[in-house]
Amino acid sequence: NAGVTQTPKFQVLKTGQSMTLQCAQDMNHEYMSWYRQDPGMGLRLIHYSVGAGITDQGEVPNGYNVSRSTTEDFPLRLLSAAPSQTSVYFCASSYRHSASYNEQFFGPGTRLTVL
Amino acid sequence: AQSVTQLDSHVSVSEGTPVLLRCNYSSSYSPSLFWYVQHPNKGLQLLLKYTSAAPLVKGINGFEAEFKKSETSFHLTKPSAHMSDAAEYFCVVRYSSASKIIFGSGTRLSIRP
Repeated sequence: NAGVTQTPKFQVLKTGQSMTLQCAQDMNHEYMSWYRQDPGMGLRLIHYSVGAGITDQGEVPNGYNVSRSTTEDFPLRLLSAAPSQTSVYFCASSYRHSASYNEQFFGPGTRLTVL
Repeated sequence: AQSVTQLDSHVSVSEGTPVLLRCNYSSSYSPSLFWYVQHPNKGLQLLLKYTSAAPLVKGINGFEAEFKKSETSFHLTKPSAHMSDAAEYFCVVRYSSASKIIFGSGTRLSIRP
């Protein structure tokens, strides 16, 4: 199993550009989520999904869109990039959202810089 | 509101001495608790988890944590620090009533030679 994969690993954008961060998992996990990590703030939840066709907002959803058309894929779209979105983005998945004991598996991260 | 607090943003210990990283969570009758480690420029790796079984949980690399319901705490310990333990550590809580998973702000562990 490849686990959770993310592409790209690094990205530089100009203000106002849009892009999609890709996330895929091959473990048949129901639950997938996106976090951003900023210095001194830990990980903050952007959006999450409890299954194909179901998404919901996390703590910091503004400026981001998600969709979940398949169990495997959970892309994150930046609609109009802003310097405040400079961050490291992590995708994570876990087996069943209703079972709180399931740990999350994390991708390697995408380091995004917005100029 | 549901929350998790890591009481120290930075902990520094000498190699070979004990490590204590503190974590408190807001009360719930059925939380699951996790500790993750993040080495520089890497993703997060699960160290250990508590899921309503024995309160003392053993994880990888000699770490363990004890769930204390009366204190709403889940502190991470290791008897003897190694240089390779230098990393960021996150305490995470997941409640059965919600799909959201809550991260602490992290504790950076430094190891002095």
